[in-house]
Amino acid sequence: AQSVTQLGSHVSVSEGALVLLRCNYSSSVPPYLFWYVQYPNQGLQLLLKYTSAATLVKGINGFEAEFKKSETSFHLTKPSAHMSDAAEYFCAVTLSDSWGKLQFGAGTQVVVTP
Amino acid sequence: SQTIHQWPATLVQPVGSPLSLECTVEGTSNPNLYWYRQAAGRGLQLLFYSVGIGQISSEVPQNLSASRPQDRQFILSSKKLLLSDSGFYLCALETRGVGAFFGQGTRLTVV
Repeated sequence: AQSVTQLGSHVSVSEGALVLLRCNYSSSVPPYLFWYVQYPNQGLQLLLKYTSAATLVKGINGFEAEFKKSETSFHLTKPSAHMSDAAEYFCAVTLSDSWGKLQFGAGTQVVVTP
Repeated sequence: SQTIHQWPATLVQPVGSPLSLECTVEGTSNPNLYWYRQAAGRGLQLLFYSVGIGQISSEVPQNLSASRPQDRQFILSSKKLLLSDSGFYLCALETRGVGAFFGQGTRLTVV
């Protein structure tokens, strides 16, 4: 079975500072990995995904993530935080070809301070 | 482009009452559809998925059921709601090779 662990349920960053959200996965085979963002009372929006092509994946809104097999990690970064980045972020994994059958992490709430 | 419609946006229902949440999609045919629930302390959990009309797979045993009467319609139901059914219900559509896209959700409060 696969799972993901997000380290840190809350992260506070200053506007303009680096955003780093941590995700580690557990899987016996190479997984498909995703990052989603959720704004209050809204659905989830796909930021980026890893599908065994490039290990460094670029997504929307300036986010990127790097797949590191040796560390079983898929951390999300953004060089410079913007106030609009305040939201909850979810890492998700699936082993199947159905990319809708996702196992989500518990989420990380990001607060951006001026 | 693909669109997911969920309604209602919010719902307050008494314990023991029935439930029907509807999800309809546009801009695609024969999609894989999913119901997720987001509840405090339980994170995001896949409840049901469907690969076609009348085909429903349940991921967790619970008080809910799902149906897919039409290709682009996915319904979540309950005969008698429990307090533990409260949560944020999200319908999702899978675009093959791209990923899962979510609707805006229905916030259900059972009182």
